[in-house]
Parts: sequence; structure tokens; C-alpha cells
Amino acid sequence: GDSVTQMEGPVTLSEEAFLTINCTYTATGYPSLFWYVQYPGEGLQLLLKATKADDKGSNKGFEATYRKETTSFHLEKGSVQVSDSAVYFCAQITGNQFYFGTGTSLTVIP
Amino acid sequence: DTAVSQTPKYLVTQMGNDKSIKCEQNLGHDTMYWYKQDSKKFLKIMFSYNNKELIINETVPNRFSPKSPDKAHLNLHINSLELGDSAVYFCASSRLAGRDEQFFGPGTRLTVL
Repeated sequence: GDSVTQMEGPVTLSEEAFLTINCTYTATGYPSLFWYVQYPGEGLQLLLKATKADDKGSNKGFEATYRKETTSFHLEKGSVQVSDSAVYFCAQITGNQFYFGTGTSLTVIP
Repeated sequence: DTAVSQTPKYLVTQMGNDKSIKCEQNLGHDTMYWYKQDSKKFLKIMFSYNNKELIINETVPNRFSPKSPDKAHLNLHINSLELGDSAVYFCASSRLAGRDEQFFGPGTRLTVL
């Protein structure tokens, strides 16, 4: 069935390090893809999205490209900050259903 | 102006009690959702309503009953609370079911003692 698989955490990085969080999807159709971020004690917020192949979503220095050939939507940021510490969720919409990955916890240390 | 709001933010109660969580969205969205997030941050969809009609009803104990009095509100009533119900419950809404991003409320942390 349709699903999303993302890199397990936790991930710990030093400030200004490069971040990649892997996400792959399986879908019978052509899903829209999303990254959500959950800061401690808060609800999920949409970080970025892409609705078709080769689209690149970007926000707050984060980027992800919809790769149909590898069914991937990896999240990247060139230089992370302490304030990026959060849990990141990859998600897709297919048909009527919204599928979330299991979340990847990121801690950035000064 | 809060887009998706939930009350209460924290709920501590004894096993066996009945409790309700309320959700309201002022975004004009047609679809609303309830999710349960466990201690490992895993998100599980429980229910989805589109224009007050139930469209997703995942495998959830029938002690959980959603109610949507209008398309801006989706409440969750839980009967006979159990220890395993302790979690954070999130309400969310989207413009169209299965097409648009979802907007989440701040969550309700339920602790069953």
C-alpha cells in the first residue's frame, strides 16, 4: 500500500553543519509531497511542499526536490541553526489519504 | 488569530472517566481530522470529516467517538479512558480532502492515571 519511509533518528549536528533527512514514498498514483516540522510542545507546521515531479519546495533555508525516478523527497539544509532543533515529518497525499512518516528528531548543538 | 484551536491544552484524568476534546478552525476548510501522537512521536490518523460527514474511520476503539456539529468544529469524545489512551491528540484541517496540506492545532496532551 501507499506509505512514506523516512530516516530514523535521532540526528545530532553541530551548528552550521549540512543536514539531509531522507524520505522515500510508495504510491499508486501521483502524490503531493510535504515536509512538516514540529517544534517542542507545538503542533505540526508545514515547512515545504511539492506537487509534481521535479518540483523543488523551499522555505527557511530548507529544500526538497520531488524525484519520481527514485521516489524520494529528501530534506536538505546547508547550514543548520540551534533553532532548527525539532522533529521533521515527511508526508504524502494520495487519493483521500494523508500518510506521515515516523518523524526524525533533529538536535543542533552550538 | 488562531487558525486551528483545541481545548483543553492539557487534560489529566483517572482511568474509567469520560472526557471530550474540542477543536475549531476558522480557515473555512471543508475537512477536519483527529490524530493521535504517541510518546515516540508517531502520528496515527483516527478520523476525518468532510463537511460534517465521516470519511475516514481508522481502526480505533469504539470508545472514541467524533462529532462534527458544523464544518468548523470537530470534537472528540472518549469513554472509559484507559492508560494506553495517554498521548497528544492533534486536530487538523484542510481545504479539500486528500488534496491540500493540513493545518494542525497545538495539540491536547491527555494523561490517564
